[in-house]
Amino acid sequence: QVQLQESGPGLVKPSETLSLTCTVSGDSINGYYWSWIRQPPGKGPEWIGYIHYSGSTTYNPSLKSRVTISVDTSKTQFSLRLNSVTATDTAVYYCAGGQQWLSFDSWGQGNLVTVSS
Amino acid sequence: EIVMTQSPATLSVSPGERATLSCRASQSVSISLAWYQQKPGQAPRLLIYGASTRATGIPGRFSGSGSGTEFTLTISGLQSEDFAIYYCQQYNNWPLAFGQGTRLEIK
Repeated sequence: QVQLQESGPGLVKPSETLSLTCTVSGDSINGYYWSWIRQPPGKGPEWIGYIHYSGSTTYNPSLKSRVTISVDTSKTQFSLRLNSVTATDTAVYYCAGGQQWLSFDSWGQGNLVTVSS
Repeated sequence: EIVMTQSPATLSVSPGERATLSCRASQSVSISLAWYQQKPGQAPRLLIYGASTRATGIPGRFSGSGSGTEFTLTISGLQSEDFAIYYCQQYNNWPLAFGQGTRLEIK
Protein backbone atom coordinates (compact mmCIF):
# COMPACT_ATOMS: atom_id res chain seq x y z
CA GLN A 1 0.00 0.00 0.00
CA VAL A 2 1.22 3.46 -0.80
CA GLN A 3 2.25 5.76 2.05
CA LEU A 4 1.65 9.50 2.10
CA GLN A 5 3.38 12.12 4.23
CA GLU A 6 2.38 15.78 4.38
CA SER A 7 4.93 18.42 5.26
CA GLY A 8 4.67 22.14 5.79
CA PRO A 9 4.21 24.83 8.42
CA GLY A 10 1.59 24.51 11.12
CA LEU A 11 1.04 28.26 11.45
CA VAL A 12 0.33 30.76 8.69
CA LYS A 13 -0.45 34.45 9.07
CA PRO A 14 -3.65 35.92 7.64
CA SER A 15 -3.35 37.09 4.01
CA GLU A 16 -0.27 34.90 3.46
CA THR A 17 0.08 31.68 1.47
CA LEU A 18 -0.34 28.18 2.87
CA SER A 19 2.04 25.69 1.24
CA LEU A 20 2.05 21.95 1.82
CA THR A 21 3.81 19.05 0.14
CA CYS A 22 2.79 15.41 0.04
CA THR A 23 5.50 12.80 -0.47
CA VAL A 24 4.41 9.48 -1.93
CA SER A 25 6.29 6.28 -1.18
CA GLY A 26 5.76 2.56 -1.57
CA ASP A 27 4.27 2.66 -5.05
CA SER A 28 4.30 4.61 -8.28
CA ILE A 29 2.76 8.07 -8.27
CA ASN A 30 1.39 7.23 -11.71
CA GLY A 31 -1.09 4.62 -10.55
CA TYR A 32 -3.30 6.73 -8.34
CA TYR A 33 -5.75 9.63 -8.39
CA TRP A 34 -4.50 12.35 -5.99
CA SER A 35 -6.33 15.00 -4.03
CA TRP A 36 -6.02 17.48 -1.21
CA ILE A 37 -8.77 17.41 1.39
CA ARG A 38 -9.18 19.54 4.49
CA GLN A 39 -11.20 19.16 7.66
CA PRO A 40 -11.94 22.13 9.95
CA PRO A 41 -12.02 21.25 13.65
CA GLY A 42 -15.21 19.37 14.50
CA LYS A 43 -16.51 19.38 10.91
CA GLY A 44 -16.69 17.04 7.95
CA PRO A 45 -14.04 16.80 5.24
CA GLU A 46 -13.97 19.32 2.37
CA TRP A 47 -12.41 18.39 -0.97
CA ILE A 48 -9.96 21.04 -2.21
CA GLY A 49 -8.78 19.72 -5.55
CA TYR A 50 -7.50 16.87 -7.69
CA ILE A 51 -4.35 16.34 -9.72
CA HIS A 52 -3.47 13.67 -12.27
CA TYR A 53 0.17 12.63 -12.52
CA SER A 54 0.21 14.31 -15.96
CA GLY A 55 -0.42 17.61 -14.18
CA SER A 56 -4.06 18.17 -15.09
CA THR A 57 -6.11 19.57 -12.23
CA THR A 58 -9.66 20.15 -11.06
CA TYR A 59 -10.45 22.45 -8.16
CA ASN A 60 -13.38 23.03 -5.86
CA PRO A 61 -15.10 26.17 -7.19
CA SER A 62 -15.37 27.50 -3.64
CA LEU A 63 -11.56 27.70 -3.48
CA LYS A 64 -10.58 27.82 -7.13
CA SER A 65 -9.47 31.44 -7.20
CA ARG A 66 -6.95 30.82 -4.40
CA VAL A 67 -5.71 27.26 -4.99
CA THR A 68 -2.87 25.77 -7.00
CA ILE A 69 -2.02 22.06 -6.94
CA SER A 70 1.08 20.81 -8.72
CA VAL A 71 2.96 17.52 -9.11
CA ASP A 72 6.64 16.63 -9.36
CA THR A 73 6.82 13.02 -10.53
CA SER A 74 10.63 12.95 -10.28
CA LYS A 75 10.34 13.60 -6.55
CA THR A 76 7.08 11.58 -6.20
CA GLN A 77 5.49 14.62 -4.60
CA PHE A 78 2.43 16.77 -5.12
CA SER A 79 1.86 20.14 -3.54
CA LEU A 80 -0.84 22.55 -2.42
CA ARG A 81 -0.73 26.32 -2.37
CA LEU A 82 -3.63 28.31 -0.94
CA ASN A 83 -3.17 32.06 -0.99
CA SER A 84 -4.79 34.93 0.89
CA VAL A 85 -5.67 32.72 3.84
CA THR A 86 -8.03 33.73 6.64
CA ALA A 87 -9.01 32.13 9.94
CA THR A 88 -11.67 30.09 8.13
CA ASP A 89 -8.86 28.19 6.38
CA THR A 90 -7.76 26.74 9.71
CA ALA A 91 -8.07 22.97 9.33
CA VAL A 92 -6.29 19.65 9.19
CA TYR A 93 -5.06 19.29 5.63
CA TYR A 94 -4.79 15.79 4.18
CA CYS A 95 -3.29 14.51 1.00
CA ALA A 96 -5.12 11.44 -0.25
CA GLY A 97 -5.13 9.06 -3.17
CA GLY A 98 -6.86 6.04 -4.53
CA GLN A 99 -6.58 3.43 -7.23
CA GLN A 100 -10.32 3.52 -7.74
CA TRP A 101 -11.53 6.71 -9.43
CA LEU A 102 -11.81 9.40 -6.77
CA SER A 103 -12.45 7.28 -3.69
CA PHE A 104 -9.52 7.55 -1.32
CA ASP A 105 -7.94 4.42 0.14
CA SER A 106 -4.68 6.10 1.11
CA TRP A 107 -4.36 9.16 3.33
CA GLY A 108 -1.55 11.09 4.93
CA GLN A 109 -1.56 11.56 8.68
CA GLY A 110 -2.86 15.11 8.31
CA ASN A 111 -1.20 18.47 8.91
CA LEU A 112 -2.99 20.91 11.21
CA VAL A 113 -2.64 24.40 9.79
CA THR A 114 -3.71 27.31 11.96
CA VAL A 115 -4.20 30.74 10.43
CA SER A 116 -3.40 33.34 13.05
CA SER A 117 -1.26 36.40 13.51
CA GLU B 1 -23.05 21.26 -6.81
CA ILE B 2 -24.25 18.09 -5.12
CA VAL B 3 -25.06 18.24 -1.42
CA MET B 4 -24.72 15.08 0.66
CA THR B 5 -26.98 14.75 3.70
CA GLN B 6 -26.41 12.08 6.33
CA SER B 7 -28.87 10.87 8.94
CA PRO B 8 -29.08 10.61 11.81
CA ALA B 9 -26.44 12.97 13.12
CA THR B 10 -25.88 10.65 16.09
CA LEU B 11 -26.83 6.98 16.38
CA SER B 12 -26.73 5.09 19.68
CA VAL B 13 -26.46 1.30 19.33
CA SER B 14 -25.44 -1.50 21.68
CA PRO B 15 -22.46 -3.71 20.90
CA GLY B 16 -23.48 -6.80 18.97
CA GLU B 17 -26.46 -5.11 17.36
CA ARG B 18 -26.89 -3.69 13.87
CA ALA B 19 -26.41 -0.07 12.85
CA THR B 20 -27.98 1.46 9.76
CA LEU B 21 -26.65 4.80 8.52
CA SER B 22 -28.20 6.80 5.69
CA CYS B 23 -26.82 9.15 3.09
CA ARG B 24 -28.85 11.14 0.59
CA ALA B 25 -27.56 13.03 -2.45
CA SER B 26 -29.29 16.17 -3.74
CA GLN B 27 -29.15 14.68 -7.24
CA SER B 28 -28.27 11.30 -8.67
CA VAL B 29 -24.68 10.13 -8.20
CA SER B 30 -25.31 6.70 -9.76
CA ILE B 31 -23.20 4.33 -7.65
CA SER B 32 -20.26 6.73 -7.29
CA LEU B 33 -20.52 6.73 -3.53
CA ALA B 34 -17.93 5.93 -0.88
CA TRP B 35 -18.14 5.47 2.89
CA TYR B 36 -15.38 6.30 5.37
CA GLN B 37 -14.82 5.68 9.06
CA GLN B 38 -12.95 8.23 11.14
CA LYS B 39 -11.69 7.90 14.70
CA PRO B 40 -10.40 10.81 16.80
CA GLY B 41 -7.02 12.07 15.70
CA GLN B 42 -6.94 9.80 12.64
CA ALA B 43 -7.46 10.24 8.93
CA PRO B 44 -10.62 8.81 7.40
CA ARG B 45 -10.46 5.15 6.39
CA LEU B 46 -12.14 3.94 3.22
CA LEU B 47 -14.75 1.27 3.91
CA ILE B 48 -16.89 1.08 0.78
CA TYR B 49 -16.62 2.39 -2.78
CA GLY B 50 -18.91 1.99 -5.74
CA ALA B 51 -21.77 2.11 -3.20
CA SER B 52 -21.37 -1.56 -2.25
CA THR B 53 -17.79 -2.79 -2.80
CA ARG B 54 -15.76 -3.29 0.36
CA ALA B 55 -12.27 -1.82 0.30
CA THR B 56 -9.27 -4.05 0.88
CA GLY B 57 -9.14 -5.44 4.40
CA ILE B 58 -12.59 -4.26 5.47
CA PRO B 59 -14.52 -6.88 7.49
CA GLY B 60 -17.63 -8.45 6.07
CA ARG B 61 -19.85 -6.93 8.78
CA PHE B 62 -19.68 -3.66 6.81
CA SER B 63 -22.02 -3.53 3.82
CA GLY B 64 -23.21 -0.75 1.55
CA SER B 65 -26.26 -0.48 -0.66
CA GLY B 66 -28.18 1.99 -2.76
CA SER B 67 -27.94 3.91 -6.00
CA GLY B 68 -29.04 7.24 -7.40
CA THR B 69 -29.78 9.45 -4.41
CA GLU B 70 -30.32 7.05 -1.49
CA PHE B 71 -27.56 5.03 0.16
CA THR B 72 -27.17 2.93 3.28
CA LEU B 73 -24.21 1.68 5.28
CA THR B 74 -25.04 -1.28 7.49
CA ILE B 75 -22.75 -2.54 10.23
CA SER B 76 -23.80 -5.92 11.61
CA GLY B 77 -22.67 -7.27 14.95
CA LEU B 78 -21.17 -4.01 16.17
CA GLN B 79 -17.79 -4.31 17.82
CA SER B 80 -16.17 -1.82 20.17
CA GLU B 81 -13.78 -0.58 17.47
CA ASP B 82 -16.72 0.35 15.19
CA PHE B 83 -17.82 3.31 17.33
CA ALA B 84 -16.63 6.28 15.32
CA ILE B 85 -17.82 8.93 12.87
CA TYR B 86 -18.89 7.81 9.40
CA TYR B 87 -18.88 9.96 6.27
CA CYS B 88 -20.28 9.40 2.81
CA GLN B 89 -18.68 10.96 -0.27
CA GLN B 90 -19.90 11.29 -3.85
CA TYR B 91 -17.50 11.23 -6.76
CA ASN B 92 -19.91 11.25 -9.68
CA ASN B 93 -19.66 15.01 -10.28
CA TRP B 94 -17.25 17.84 -9.61
CA PRO B 95 -16.83 19.12 -6.97
CA LEU B 96 -16.44 15.99 -4.90
CA ALA B 97 -18.53 16.26 -1.75
CA PHE B 98 -18.69 14.69 1.69
CA GLY B 99 -21.62 14.43 4.04
CA GLN B 100 -21.51 16.05 7.46
CA GLY B 101 -21.13 12.70 9.19
CA THR B 102 -22.97 10.32 11.50
CA ARG B 103 -21.51 9.74 14.94
CA LEU B 104 -22.01 6.12 16.02
CA GLU B 105 -21.91 5.88 19.79
CA ILE B 106 -22.24 3.12 22.32
CA LYS B 107 -25.70 2.76 23.85
